[in-house]
Amino acid sequence: GAVVSQHPSWVICKSGTSVKIECRSLDFQATTMFWYRQFPKQSLMLMATSNEGSKATYEQGVEKDKFLINHASLTLSTLTVTSAHPEDSSFYICSAPRLGAGNEQFFGPGTRLTVL
Amino acid sequence: AQKITQTQPGMFVQEKEAVTLDCTYDTSDPSYGLFWYKQPSSGEMIFLIYQGSYDQQNATEGRYSLNFQKARKSANLVISASQLGDSAMYFCAMRDHNAGNMLTFGGGTRLMVKP
Repeated sequence: GAVVSQHPSWVICKSGTSVKIECRSLDFQATTMFWYRQFPKQSLMLMATSNEGSKATYEQGVEKDKFLINHASLTLSTLTVTSAHPEDSSFYICSAPRLGAGNEQFFGPGTRLTVL
Repeated sequence: AQKITQTQPGMFVQEKEAVTLDCTYDTSDPSYGLFWYKQPSSGEMIFLIYQGSYDQQNATEGRYSLNFQKARKSANLVISASQLGDSAMYFCAMRDHNAGNMLTFGGGTRLMVKP
């Protein structure tokens, strides 16, 4: 089946630093990728839709200047958490739909961010 | 606007028994898709089963089946012959075909299988 990877799988950083998370579709091209955030014991909340070749679409309440998204190619989207603070600590998951794959959306394994 | 509701925050089931996880949804669009995902403690999202709004038959995938009641707007997941490895969080999600491939998730149900 299709594989979506994320890197890093976990990261610990100091408050005020920026962290970049990569999401790659390994065996298919994805013109659209989605970024979700999941706090402990909660559901996945869509943060933004990453669009190859154009600006990302952010959900209401998500600061676009804080969560920078770049869809650099048809297989790579990056999420940069700028000036991270402890309240940004969360589990970040990306997903990508593959055209022609029926109706499945493929999820990355997630990145656990801890901001000290 | 879409909404997905999972009313059971946690459930226990005895090993080898069947269990039903509830999911209700609300949408004004006639074309939509319903998904169930399993999330073990590792955090990965594992696709289990899909039901399209126009599908005539309930979806089945091995031990997983989806009890789709369109008029009631419910899409309950039935797991037969529960196994210890089924213990995990389960999320119901909906895709509105008019909103691209974006998924909206329910709050999740934590299933615990007792030996």
